Amino acid sequence: EVQLVESGGVVVQPGGSLRLSCAASGFTFDDYTMHWVRQAPGKGLEWVSLISWDGDTTYYADSVKGRFTISRDNSKNSLYLQMNSLRTEDTALYYCAKDMSSKGYCSGGDWGQGTLVTVSS
Amino acid sequence: EIVMMQSPATLSVSPGERATLSCRASQSVSSNLAWYQQKPGQAPRLLIYGASTRATGIPARFSGSGSGTEFTLTISSLQSEDFAVYYCQQYNNWPPYTFGQGTKLEIK
Repeated sequence: EVQLVESGGVVVQPGGSLRLSCAASGFTFDDYTMHWVRQAPGKGLEWVSLISWDGDTTYYADSVKGRFTISRDNSKNSLYLQMNSLRTEDTALYYCAKDMSSKGYCSGGDWGQGTLVTVSS
Repeated sequence: EIVMMQSPATLSVSPGERATLSCRASQSVSSNLAWYQQKPGQAPRLLIYGASTRATGIPARFSGSGSGTEFTLTISSLQSEDFAVYYCQQYNNWPPYTFGQGTKLEIK
């Protein structure tokens, strides 16, 4: 059974930094692209970033480009999101998601339960 | 960036009836379209990918159709557990992957 468990969400001041983690199990982690998707309170879903199965390729939404960095450690079956220069509009529940396609770039097939990031003074 | 537009924003349907949800893309996404279901306090769950293929474990009452710019999610006979918010997402032209704003399916 695929399990994705996010952690690291806290309350942080504007301009601050935070690192989210996602622990993966139940599948061959280094075969899958991984995504971060966020959801502001009461709002819809917004794709944030992806990283390829081998870590060589990354992409970002314009709203976070230059501030967020996605990474992974395949030896630890873990995904990360380093978030710098945080803004109030970054307040959201952050989900990690496993791509539905092995060594592909499709859409999130399995999702974690999310970790809440609140940016507030 | 491809804009995904869902209609209606809210759909009121009685249990046992059919629900039809629409999703339109601002340009062709071929068949690279997914549907998700999200219940309150839960993560999204993949229902349909490739516009019409049900994900593992999804009941046959859920069906997807369409290609290009027009897509439909049909739930043939609504069960109580189907009342939720539904999102479409394109994965044809990225980044970014883009979602529709969601359709809330509520009990009539």
